[in-house]
Amino acid sequence: EIVMTQSPATLSVSPGERATLSCRASQSVSSNLAWYQQKPGQAPRLLIYGASTRATGIPARFSGSGSGTEFTLTISSLQSEDVAVYHCQQYYNWPSVIFGQGTKLEI
Amino acid sequence: HVQLQESGPGLVKPSETLSLTCSVSGGSISSYYWSWIRQTAGKGLEWVGRIYITENKGRTEYSPSLESRLAMSVDTSESQFSLSLRSVTAADTAVYYCAGSWSAYYPFDYWGQGIQVTVSS
Repeated sequence: EIVMTQSPATLSVSPGERATLSCRASQSVSSNLAWYQQKPGQAPRLLIYGASTRATGIPARFSGSGSGTEFTLTISSLQSEDVAVYHCQQYYNWPSVIFGQGTKLEI
Repeated sequence: HVQLQESGPGLVKPSETLSLTCSVSGGSISSYYWSWIRQTAGKGLEWVGRIYITENKGRTEYSPSLESRLAMSVDTSESQFSLSLRSVTAADTAVYYCAGSWSAYYPFDYWGQGIQVTVSS
């Protein structure tokens, strides 16, 4: 089973600054990597798929990069509404999709 | 715009069966791949299983860790799909989400709001 490891567990960033979140896969998932944003009391929301493609309606300050085993989600200029938990998910070997444990982003 | 809504009991007794339904609106239930995903504080997000329509039949794929206790079904006339998890324990306590993907090899772009299910006597 592929294991997804996110770091750090908690990240504190000032408004307007850049936030960089990491996700590592225990084996290659090619570019089959998605990022989700989950605000308190809400369902996850798809942000990025294919490691770097923004989903519909996602602001340009969110960007994804990486392939294989190392992936990064970058928020270029943090806004207060970006406070959330961010999850990565590999969908390389459907149906055994696996999520990371999440990174909590704080201001 | 596809919308999903979970329904079912919020409290289930140990050893009994957890049954949830997801109602789909704004899109054809036959055109998407429908999953159940659960979330606990300790294990994060866990994919439970999925169902989709092919050749007019519902086809299922389940998480290996839950396969022996799990059944999913679809009712196209009601635009609903369902989950049934037998012999539940406290470890099955979680927020259960229904979610949809437009393709077999694509992440989840539609999510329900989630329903808290607690297993307790």
